[in-house]
Amino acid sequence: QEQLVESGGGVVQPGESLRLSCAASGFNFRKNSLHWVRQAPGKGLEWVGRVSTDGSYEDFTDSVKGRFTSSRGDSKNTLYLRLDTLRPEDTAVYYCARHRGSGYFDLWGRGTLVAVSS
Amino acid sequence: SYALTQAPSVSVAPGKTARITCTGDHISTKSVHWYQQKPGQAPILVIYDDNGRPSGIPERFSGSNSADTATLTISSAEVGDEADYFCQVVDTSSTYRIFGGGTKLTVL
Repeated sequence: QEQLVESGGGVVQPGESLRLSCAASGFNFRKNSLHWVRQAPGKGLEWVGRVSTDGSYEDFTDSVKGRFTSSRGDSKNTLYLRLDTLRPEDTAVYYCARHRGSGYFDLWGRGTLVAVSS
Repeated sequence: SYALTQAPSVSVAPGKTARITCTGDHISTKSVHWYQQKPGQAPILVIYDDNGRPSGIPERFSGSNSADTATLTISSAEVGDEADYFCQVVDTSSTYRIFGGGTKLTVL
């Protein structure tokens, strides 16, 4: 069964850091592109960013560029998202999602909640 | 940057047809994808590439894309279809993935 499971969320203060994980199973992790998408409480979906399948290239939305980085642990079939210098506006459920072909997401995890508050 | 606009809410009577629209500049030149999200759950893909339907999605769900408007059509709407629906495209100028603001579908 194909599955993505996020973990690592929590409550932090502004300026602090977190590392999220996304464990993949049931499909070939190395050959699939995975992205991060977030959803603030009561709001819509926002694409956060991605890292290439070989880990050599990453791309993030402007609001997190320079603060978030992503990496892949191929031996563990796990995608990581490092969140630095967190701000209250980063409060959201963070999903990892498998990206396909022309740009759609066909498999999503259940998400992990990041809350930034003083 | 590219933007997608959706109506905040749509209502439909059970058994009738619901149409949820997504507008964007020359959206017909892009592939549009649609997601359904129920409260407390992750989104699921219901339409990809304008009108493709993933396995397991009922035939009642269909999509179209023309000019500046893409449309998700849900025929014979059921109470179980109540959810938020989001459209999504790739902004080819930035490679960012762009989501619409979402439409809350009420079936009553």
